[in-house]
Amino acid sequence: SQKIEQNSEALNIQEGKTATLTCNYTNYSPAYLQWYRQDPGRGPVFLLLIRENEKEKRKERLKVTFDTTLKQSLFHITASQPADSATYLCALYTGGFKTIFGAGTRLFVKA
Amino acid sequence: SAVISQKPSRDICQRGTSLTIQCQVDSQVTMMFWYRQQPGQSLTLIATANQGSEATYESGFVIDKFPISRPNLTFSTLTVSNMSPEDSSIYLCSVQDREDSPLHFGNGTRLTVT
Repeated sequence: SQKIEQNSEALNIQEGKTATLTCNYTNYSPAYLQWYRQDPGRGPVFLLLIRENEKEKRKERLKVTFDTTLKQSLFHITASQPADSATYLCALYTGGFKTIFGAGTRLFVKA
Repeated sequence: SAVISQKPSRDICQRGTSLTIQCQVDSQVTMMFWYRQQPGQSLTLIATANQGSEATYESGFVIDKFPISRPNLTFSTLTVSNMSPEDSSIYLCSVQDREDSPLHFGNGTRLTVT
């Protein structure tokens, strides 16, 4: 079955630095991959979608890469701010309107 | 994007009882889904709510335990039946318009079963 791995350990970084989160997957070739942000007590919020034929996607301070050979996506937040502190979820589209999620990585940005 | 309202936001229920969670969307949507999120774990798809017909359940989830209704394109309910402490979790409603569009989520229902 499809498996998505995100670093279960929290990532602690200093304000202003670049945060890099990793998403690895196995046993599937998704047509696209998504990243979501989830704050405590809230539902996930969509951030970026990257397709299999795209290497990189940017939106403001966010950048996502997608390596279908390595089966890996990297999610970068540049010039990080304390307000970026949240859990970030990686999600794969597996076909037929089905999306599977990783467990997420918690990011803490210290002022 | 669609605005999704879920009720209740949280509840504490006794073992053996049932709870119905409502999901209301401010616009018509093609697809509605119900997910479960247990502490520290990923979101797990319970079922796809189909308008006017029986929901499509994922492996490990059955209609008798999680009956779902979707009477129209803006509303769905999920019932958690005959609850046990193992059902304590966050239940999330989500919607999607097209296969290549992102999911939008409600803020979830935090259920605690004692």
